[in-house]
Amino acid sequence: DIVMTQSPLSLPVTLGQPASISCKSSQSLVHSDGNTYLNWFQQRPGQSPRRLIYRVSNRDSGVPDRFSGSGSGTDFTLQISRVEAEDVGVYYCMQGTHWPVTFGQGTKLEIK
Amino acid sequence: QVQLVESGGDVVQPGRSLRLSCAASGFSINTHAMHWVRQAPGKGLEGVTVISYDENNKYYADSVKGRFTISRDNSKNTLYLQMNSLRPEDTAVYYCARGAFQYFDWLSPDYWGQGTLVTVSS
Repeated sequence: DIVMTQSPLSLPVTLGQPASISCKSSQSLVHSDGNTYLNWFQQRPGQSPRRLIYRVSNRDSGVPDRFSGSGSGTDFTLQISRVEAEDVGVYYCMQGTHWPVTFGQGTKLEIK
Repeated sequence: QVQLVESGGDVVQPGRSLRLSCAASGFSINTHAMHWVRQAPGKGLEGVTVISYDENNKYYADSVKGRFTISRDNSKNTLYLQMNSLRPEDTAVYYCARGAFQYFDWLSPDYWGQGTLVTVSS
């Protein structure tokens, strides 16, 4: 199974400041079709996960443009340009290139 | 709009069975892959099983292989998860999630339901 490793696991951020989460996979996430199926999810307290980013850098519909994704191969990053109060929650990276799909451990974002 | 509503979660004893349902609306499940993903209390996310849009491919996590079965009823636009020989470690919120259209990026879930809690305890 592909292991997804996130860092940091806890991320205290001041409102209005940027935030960055790293996600590294134990093997390349490039599919045989040439695409890289790396997703980012947000889980607010008491809610189900919501997808923010698909295929490394594509924002889902309705996701604010302060969220952006980048990376390639085995190294990926989720960036929030200016953190808002509604961004509090746990963020997960997830690979959809190989079964079983696997998730990172989660990064808990809180406001300082 | 896309909506997924899970039901069937309950408290059951080890070794017993349970069937979860996921009623979909706003799209047809026979054009999308469909997933079950679980989250143990206070823990992260684990992909349990997925069924392809044409039902030709069904994958299971090793932890549930041989005990859980994914299926769907296209006429009811509903996804199911039959869970047999339940163990305490199966205790979790079970989420139904939609995969992509047909086979492109089919292993990546986009929309998720609110989840249903399964507790396995004597």
